[in-house]
Amino acid sequence: DSGVTQTPKHLITATGQRVTLRCSPRSGDLSVYWYQQSLDQGLQFLIQYYNGEERAKGNILERFSAQQFPDLHSELNLSSLELGDSALYFCASSVNDGPTLHEQFFGPGTRLTVL
Amino acid sequence: GDSVTQMEGPVTLSEEAFLTINCTYTATGYPSLFWYVQYPGEGLQLLLKATKADDKGSNKGFEATYRKETTSFHLEKGSVQVSDSAVYFCALYNAGNNRKLIWGLGTSLAVNP
Repeated sequence: DSGVTQTPKHLITATGQRVTLRCSPRSGDLSVYWYQQSLDQGLQFLIQYYNGEERAKGNILERFSAQQFPDLHSELNLSSLELGDSALYFCASSVNDGPTLHEQFFGPGTRLTVL
Repeated sequence: GDSVTQMEGPVTLSEEAFLTINCTYTATGYPSLFWYVQYPGEGLQLLLKATKADDKGSNKGFEATYRKETTSFHLEKGSVQVSDSAVYFCALYNAGNNRKLIWGLGTSLAVNP
């Protein structure tokens, strides 16, 4: 158990809908990262937050957004869903994001299926 | 920009065989290098890391040496077990590059008894 929790574990929805994925980082970790893992594109970094502020952006679509709350949990919002958004979404956390990256601890993932 | 290239899988081995998964990188400066492992149905977890040239990371019988001259960080294990069946990801962290991990595509390993 990494200490990172993600809910829900599975999510099935229809095209055009909007969903929210939730992540609670390990106790004491200030950085939260979101990743998308699909069979055809591998592991894609989406976005990082550090202590409530956006720190780095990867291949995140405009239909997707995220935020980190004062209690450090984070939510990833996916809207106008398309079939191609079906994937495993991982959250990871780390202590900081300084010059030397400490280990990222991954949650178990949320499997999103868009029908 | 920075990049990581891993050998393509799947790799299939018999138990007790020697494992090498190649990883090479392109980066400016002095990145840190990582191997993560993803067991079936689970999230990724750090396997080992190296933060400077000639460092050797090791864990659970796996080893990888940070070779700056060949820009490589190959993963090796002398004798694999069925329980090593997983997907292995090589990754690079360069503090000067937007502070994000750059991931390889992953290499699937299947070990048969």
